[in-house]
Amino acid sequence: NAGVTQTPKFQVLKTGQSMTLQCAQDMNHEYMSWYRQDPGMGLRLIHYSVGAGITDQGEVPNGYNVSRSTTEDFPLRLLSAAPSQTSVYFCASSYAPAGETQYFGPGTRLLVL
Amino acid sequence: GDSVTQMEGPVTLSEEAFLTINCTYTATGYPSLFWYVQYPGEGLQLLLKATKADDKGSNKGFEATYRKETTSFHLEKGSVQVSDSAVYFCALSDRGSYIPTFGRGTSLIVHP
Repeated sequence: NAGVTQTPKFQVLKTGQSMTLQCAQDMNHEYMSWYRQDPGMGLRLIHYSVGAGITDQGEVPNGYNVSRSTTEDFPLRLLSAAPSQTSVYFCASSYAPAGETQYFGPGTRLLVL
Repeated sequence: GDSVTQMEGPVTLSEEAFLTINCTYTATGYPSLFWYVQYPGEGLQLLLKATKADDKGSNKGFEATYRKETTSFHLEKGSVQVSDSAVYFCALSDRGSYIPTFGRGTSLIVHP
């Protein structure tokens, strides 16, 4: 199993550009989520999904969109990038949302100029 | 709501020193407790877990015991190595909530 994969590993954007961060898992996990990690802020939840077709907002959803058309994939879209979105983004998945181990991807480092 | 509080870092130790990273939690239900480790440039990975009171999780020489009476899950290792240098996250997952709760992370630096 590849586990949780994320692409790209690193991206530079200009303010106002759009992009999609890809996340895929091959463990048939129902629960998937996106976090951003900033110095001194720990992990902050952006969006999460409890199954295909079901998504909900986390702590910091503004400026980000998600959809979940399949169990395997959970892309994160930035519609109009801002410097405040410069961060490291992690995708995670688990067998069930509650009480289970989270499996994290390797992260995407995003720099918005 | 649920919360996790862990000691601020960085924690700086010499090789072979004893490590304790404190973690306390607040939860409405009966959560599972976790320690995750993040090595430089990587994502988080599970280090150990405990699912009920008095359970002890252990892995790679690290241990933590689920203490319901003190709502704590402190991470310990008897003799740290330079390769243990990483950021450690305490977390809980409450069966009544979709969203796990993470602490802010504690950076550990081990010098030779």
